[in-house]
Amino acid sequence: DTGVSQNPRHKITKRGQNVTFRCDPISEHNRLYWYRQTLGQGPEFLTYFQNEAQLEKSRLLSDRFSAERPKGSFSTLEIQRTEQGDSAMYLCASSPIAGGYNEQFFGPGTRLTVL
Amino acid sequence: GNSVTQMEGPVTLSEEAFLTINCTYTATGYPSLFWYVQYPGEGLQLLLKATKADDKGSNKGFEATYRKETTSFHLEKGSVQVSDSAVYFCALSPLGSWGKLQFGAGTQVVVTP
Repeated sequence: DTGVSQNPRHKITKRGQNVTFRCDPISEHNRLYWYRQTLGQGPEFLTYFQNEAQLEKSRLLSDRFSAERPKGSFSTLEIQRTEQGDSAMYLCASSPIAGGYNEQFFGPGTRLTVL
Repeated sequence: GNSVTQMEGPVTLSEEAFLTINCTYTATGYPSLFWYVQYPGEGLQLLLKATKADDKGSNKGFEATYRKETTSFHLEKGSVQVSDSAVYFCALSPLGSWGKLQFGAGTQVVVTP
């Protein structure tokens, strides 16, 4: 299966700890997105990469959040000093660049629980 | 700002019934519109899309028409199956936004035999 993969699938941590999530997009997809989804809500946009460049960050992405995409392949999302309000499903999606809109392919998500 | 509003669920209906899920949006310019579906235990999948006014997206028996005058993109299916039980999300992508998506809250659909 060459879809978008995310690791870990589940993460339980204590408040104040740092966590890091990884996303491996579909190979050759230039665009990579991170979203956050809380229970009963739709996903909310966090940040966007085109190749290795982070081109947009949502105001939802506080200073405790940082994302990288070295070499334009996999991406990591780190949350420092986690808070209970960070508990959510973190989704990654990728798409190719071509004329017009391109379908975003979503990974299965990483569910974060902050105790 | 941009927003998407869709009808609350759960929507429960019998197999072979007609399904409509309402979706309205606010946006500047002409966004692209989408329906995504999340089956139990699976990730989000694109169901259908429309990129300009009066376009009709269709897939797997589902249809939705981009209505600029009513800022709506209602999802319909004429005869649902148990396998259509899922959560359905309406979403928009603003013009010039790198393709980022803004989602509604989702509507859970439960189809009973």
